[in-house]
Amino acid sequence: GENVEQHPSTLSVQEGDSAVIKCTYSDSASNYFPWYKQELGKRPQLIIDIRSNVGEKKDQRIAVTLNKTAKHFSLHITETQPEDSAVYFCGDNNAGGTSYGKLTFGQGTILTVHP
Amino acid sequence: DAGVTQSPTHLIKTRGQHVTLRCSPISGHKSVSWYQQVLGQGPQFIFQYYEKEERGRGNFPDRFSARQFPNYSSELNVNALLLGDSALYLCASTPLGRLAGGKTQYFGPGTRLLVL
Repeated sequence: GENVEQHPSTLSVQEGDSAVIKCTYSDSASNYFPWYKQELGKRPQLIIDIRSNVGEKKDQRIAVTLNKTAKHFSLHITETQPEDSAVYFCGDNNAGGTSYGKLTFGQGTILTVHP
Repeated sequence: DAGVTQSPTHLIKTRGQHVTLRCSPISGHKSVSWYQQVLGQGPQFIFQYYEKEERGRGNFPDRFSARQFPNYSSELNVNALLLGDSALYLCASTPLGRLAGGKTQYFGPGTRLLVL
């Protein structure tokens, strides 16, 4: 089955620095790649997503890049703030597959932003 | 608009018991997916339902079952509970069926199940 590897598992940065989280997927048919932020005790919330027909997408301090050849995609957070501290999950989906409502998630990255 | 709602928020059961978890999707959303999130891991896909039919199933035993009602709400049932079933159970809704792939999944707050 599909496998998504996420690195690093923990990431500690100083406020104002950039943070980068990388995910690698195995299913070459995957074509949708969301990133979710989950604060302690709360639901996962979508922060940005990208589809396979684009290589990069940006939303203010957050950007995602996709390399379909290498089958990896990355989350970039610039000018980090303490409120960015949370667990971040990458996911992928094969919209044309039989389980088209299935997201496969990475293991998560605990991001800590120190003031 | 109300988001995805789930009930109950917390539940404590003992081994061998069964449990029913409930989910109401966002109004207008016809597709519901269920995920299990064990502490420290990413959510694992259990089921997807669309128009009351199962459209996808993850690698979970037959003790796990689900259904979707005409109003698109959904129930997840787990029989013969094991200690390892202790987890946060998340429900996610998306607006369309086949087109749900590649569409945002909106998660509910989850039901935290503890099996003793």
